[in-house]
Amino acid sequence: GAVVSQHPSWVICKSGTSVKIECRSLDFQATTMFWYRQFPKQSLMLMATSNEGSKATYEQGVEKDKFLINHASLTLSTLTVTSAHPEDSSFYICSESGQAKNIQYFGAGTRLSVL
Amino acid sequence: KQEVTQIPAALSVPEGENLVLNCSFTDSAIYNLQWFRQDPGKGLTSLLLIQSSQREQTSGRLNASLDKSSGRSTLYIAASQPGDSATYLCAVGFHSGGYQKVTFGTGTKLQVIP
Repeated sequence: GAVVSQHPSWVICKSGTSVKIECRSLDFQATTMFWYRQFPKQSLMLMATSNEGSKATYEQGVEKDKFLINHASLTLSTLTVTSAHPEDSSFYICSESGQAKNIQYFGAGTRLSVL
Repeated sequence: KQEVTQIPAALSVPEGENLVLNCSFTDSAIYNLQWFRQDPGKGLTSLLLIQSSQREQTSGRLNASLDKSSGRSTLYIAASQPGDSATYLCAVGFHSGGYQKVTFGTGTKLQVIP
């Protein structure tokens, strides 16, 4: 099956800095990738859908200027948390739909801690 | 809007017991349902994937069933072990607005006591 590589797995940063998270599809050219986040003791919520070569589609309540998504190639999507604040501390995870289209493969996730 | 609920929210059982985790979803127009486990501070581990045309999937001590018409899935864990302690999430895949979407359940936190 498809393999999704997500980096970094853990990042600690100071308030006000920007953090970039990478999601790579290792064996499939993913035209669509998805970004989720999980606050403590809550379930995973879809943030945005990332489409190669076009603008990402954001879910209601997600600030597109704060969470910049770039999907410049078929194997790489990046999520940049700009001017991070402690309330952005969360678990972020990406997925891609895979060749079968009706299956999503998930990265290992990135735990962001903003001090 | 697809809503996914998992019952119970938490479960504590002695080692060796068989147990059932429940997942219900509001819209039966799904293309798959997936069960994951999540260990504290870690990512997701995929356990079982059931396509909409299937009724169940089995892997080792795990068996997942799907009843689309009633909007329910169960994850059965046989002969539970302390290593099974984790949060179990079900995730429903469906199409919305031309996109694939996945909605996760609220999770069941399982503790298996030695």
